[in-house]
Amino acid sequence: QVQLVQSGAEVKKPGASVKVSCKASGNTFISYDINWVRQATGQGHEWMGWMNPNSGNTGYARKFQGRVTMTRNTSISTAYMELSSLRSEDTAVYYCATGATDAFAIWGQGTMVTVSS
Amino acid sequence: SYELTQPPSVSVSPGQTARITCSGDALPKQYAYWYQQKPGQAPVQVIYKDSERPSGIPERFSGSSSGTTVTLTISGVQAEDEADYYCQSADSSGTYVFGTGTKVTVL
Repeated sequence: QVQLVQSGAEVKKPGASVKVSCKASGNTFISYDINWVRQATGQGHEWMGWMNPNSGNTGYARKFQGRVTMTRNTSISTAYMELSSLRSEDTAVYYCATGATDAFAIWGQGTMVTVSS
Repeated sequence: SYELTQPPSVSVSPGQTARITCSGDALPKQYAYWYQQKPGQAPVQVIYKDSERPSGIPERFSGSSSGTTVTLTISGVQAEDEADYYCQSADSSGTYVFGTGTKVTVL
């Protein structure tokens, strides 16, 4: 079964960008969409968007359109989520997720992104 | 925007049954999914498509649906079941939405 391993924690200043990676094990990387979700401390989950690793097609939640970009490198089975114009409210744990039967069957371990001056 | 509403907390004694509800207007037309999340860990799916249980999830976890409400039931609760539980579904446009979350405390 596929496993997702994410990049390490990041600390960024307001106005900067952050790029989080999500590497999939096995040979199924291009088979299922990759979704990104974030969770601020003590808060619920917020879906950010999806990417099809085979075609590169993407769909972003309205809240993040214009600020988020999802890409992939199929040669290394890795998906990326880049968020720009960071502000303190973007401080959160960012997760990638995927699955054969549904969008969030399997989750990465999460990446903490802290936005602070 | 579309919301999925859950009770903030549920308390249950070991061996008893915990029921967690999730309400949303689009639930009659969209599947619901349930996730368990322990502190500092990623969510783990415990129910998919309203009532299906993923491989490796104990049989004490079950799901049901009735109209605009879906329910996660944990029968014979164990101490290890203490966690936050979230429902998830989609609105009419296909945008994914997560519930507000329920903290299950095992007394």
